[in-house]
Amino acid sequence: DIQMTQSPSSLSAFVGDRVTITCRASQSVYTYLSWYQQKPGKAPKVLIFGANILQSGVPSRFSGSGSGTDFTLTINSLQREDFATYYCQQTYNTPRTFGQGTNVEIK
Amino acid sequence: QVQLVQSGAEVKKPGASVKISCKASGFTFTDYGFTWVRQAPGQGLEWMGWTGANNGDTNYARKFQDRVTMTTDTSTTTLYLELRSLTSGDTAVYFCARIAWGSGHNYFDPWGQGTLVTVSS
Repeated sequence: DIQMTQSPSSLSAFVGDRVTITCRASQSVYTYLSWYQQKPGKAPKVLIFGANILQSGVPSRFSGSGSGTDFTLTINSLQREDFATYYCQQTYNTPRTFGQGTNVEIK
Repeated sequence: QVQLVQSGAEVKKPGASVKISCKASGFTFTDYGFTWVRQAPGQGLEWMGWTGANNGDTNYARKFQDRVTMTTDTSTTTLYLELRSLTSGDTAVYFCARIAWGSGHNYFDPWGQGTLVTVSS
């Protein structure tokens, strides 16, 4: 199984900050990588797929980059509604493994 | 609108089975595959497997292979997850999701609201 490792596990940031979350795969997943946002008590919501393709309706302050084993989710000018947990997921093969999550909290 | 609506919370005893439903609407059901993901309390997301609505093909995660069944009913546009031989470790919120495609990549969208399954004696 492909292991997905996110860092950091949690971070604190101010509204307006630029935030970067990294995700590393245990083997190459090319660009088969998605990012999800989950708020407490809610279902996850897709932000990015194909490593850098912004899902329709998602604000442009979210962006994804990377290929192979190293990926990044960037949130430019963090907004109050962005405080949530973020997960990466590889979609290269099965099982479709997720990272352990990164909790973004208000500083 | 495109949505998936899941059945309500369940409480089961160890050793029992649970069957969760997920009603799809707002799109052509048989054009898509569907997946199930679970989340234990305070934990991350765990992929369980997927099923195709048009042909019933399935692909289960090895961890669940011998005690999970995922099915679809095209007449009611509903998918089902059955998990058998429950233990306390199966206590979790179970999510269904549609497998969407874009630019040669698949992703999960939308998701159901989740169904809490509690396993307790």
